[in-house]
Amino acid sequence: TQLLEQSPQFLSIQEGENLTVYCNSSSVFSSLQWYRQEPGEGPVLLVTVVTGGEVKKLKRLTFQFGDARKDSSLHITAAQPGDTGLYLCAGDPGGYQKVTFGTGTKLQVIP
Amino acid sequence: DSGVTQTPKHLITATGQRVTLRCSPRSGDLSVYWYQQSLDQGLQFLIQYYNGEERAKGNILERFSAQQFPDLHSELNLSSLELGDSALYFCASSVASATQYFGPGTRLTVL
Repeated sequence: TQLLEQSPQFLSIQEGENLTVYCNSSSVFSSLQWYRQEPGEGPVLLVTVVTGGEVKKLKRLTFQFGDARKDSSLHITAAQPGDTGLYLCAGDPGGYQKVTFGTGTKLQVIP
Repeated sequence: DSGVTQTPKHLITATGQRVTLRCSPRSGDLSVYWYQQSLDQGLQFLIQYYNGEERAKGNILERFSAQQFPDLHSELNLSSLELGDSALYFCASSVASATQYFGPGTRLTVL
């Protein structure tokens, strides 16, 4: 069973600050997804990374897939209150193995 | 809007009862996944169906069952409900890749 550990578990920052969230595993993944979930709503897909070392940008969000495809990071520049939410990573081992979701990082951006 | 629909949005019932949650996947998606999310917890994978057949099973209780119909919609049946079953239940769908699209969820409250 693949485990995906996210850190930090909780993060409370001021508007305008930068932050990085980590998603780590000892397993190799074919692809990895990042989602954001707001309270009471379903997770919304932010990005999928596939290639080791890949970097993708989505406005102020930068996603990186580790070279060995075992880990990933999400960096947010100049955080806004609208970035508040639960950030989840999900790793796909490939084949018919099921996707594993990370433990989640709860981010609060204070105006 | 992810294209995944779930009904009902809210469900309040009593202990010992049975309920059915319904999910319609995005058009063209063959896989349906069910997840449980308790208050301030991460996503717990319950079960996956692919084109009508069970593909993967997670931490699904014996009191819970699911199925996917020929038109690809899915139902999750929860029976002999307990207080601890109160949670958000999410359905997600995907074509074949790991990228899942989530519905808005059903909030189940067991009194």
